[in-house]
Amino acid sequence: KNQVEQSPQSLIILEGKNCTLQCNYTVSPFSNLRWYKQDTGRGPVSLTIMTFSENTKSNGRYTATLDADTKQSSLHITASQLSDSASYICVVSPLSGGYNKLIFGAGTRLAVHP
Amino acid sequence: NAGVTQTPKFQVLKTGQSMTLQCAQDMNHEYMSWYRQDPGMGLRLIHYSVGAGITDQGEVPNGYNVSRSTTEDFPLRLLSAAPSQTSVYFCASSYSMADRGFGGYTFGSGTRLTVV
Repeated sequence: KNQVEQSPQSLIILEGKNCTLQCNYTVSPFSNLRWYKQDTGRGPVSLTIMTFSENTKSNGRYTATLDADTKQSSLHITASQLSDSASYICVVSPLSGGYNKLIFGAGTRLAVHP
Repeated sequence: NAGVTQTPKFQVLKTGQSMTLQCAQDMNHEYMSWYRQDPGMGLRLIHYSVGAGITDQGEVPNGYNVSRSTTEDFPLRLLSAAPSQTSVYFCASSYSMADRGFGGYTFGSGTRLTVV
């Protein structure tokens, strides 16, 4: 069973609208949770990083939240732009590991239409 | 400062052929790694290296070899390509293997490999 599950698998929204992407994880204990943005044909780029003790982190129009009790994280995108069209990947780092132990979700593919 | 550079961007191989995917970084990072990305799945670690001369296996190492003769380069070799190795391959690097949550993990742009 995948230890990091993301939903929805894909999402279409209109430009200017808000959206929220979900990440449920079973990895425990964990060191930090990251959200990455992956443009088509490119490698993932880090958006936010939260340690287990943080519950929110913003990066411009991107706001990530973390609920360690329910083992859920969300990525909220405000006032979407066409350039937000990408895959968004949730990554959890177990407490005992380094970069060789990262666990990646399958991603949510977001399409922003004009 | 180019970051992590992968070549080629696209490659088509016939079953049984061999090839090397190149990865180079100019950030003096000690830790380098290779992932494969398949539809509907998260990135999976193939091999990694914590420094020149040191490599180790990740989650899905079968069918792949690596070496690390310099800090800058970390090539991935497919000795006898199989259709199951059709995937997008990403190289990534960081200053160290320790994941302190500071976001210092840089990915290359990927190599799309098709094995027919």
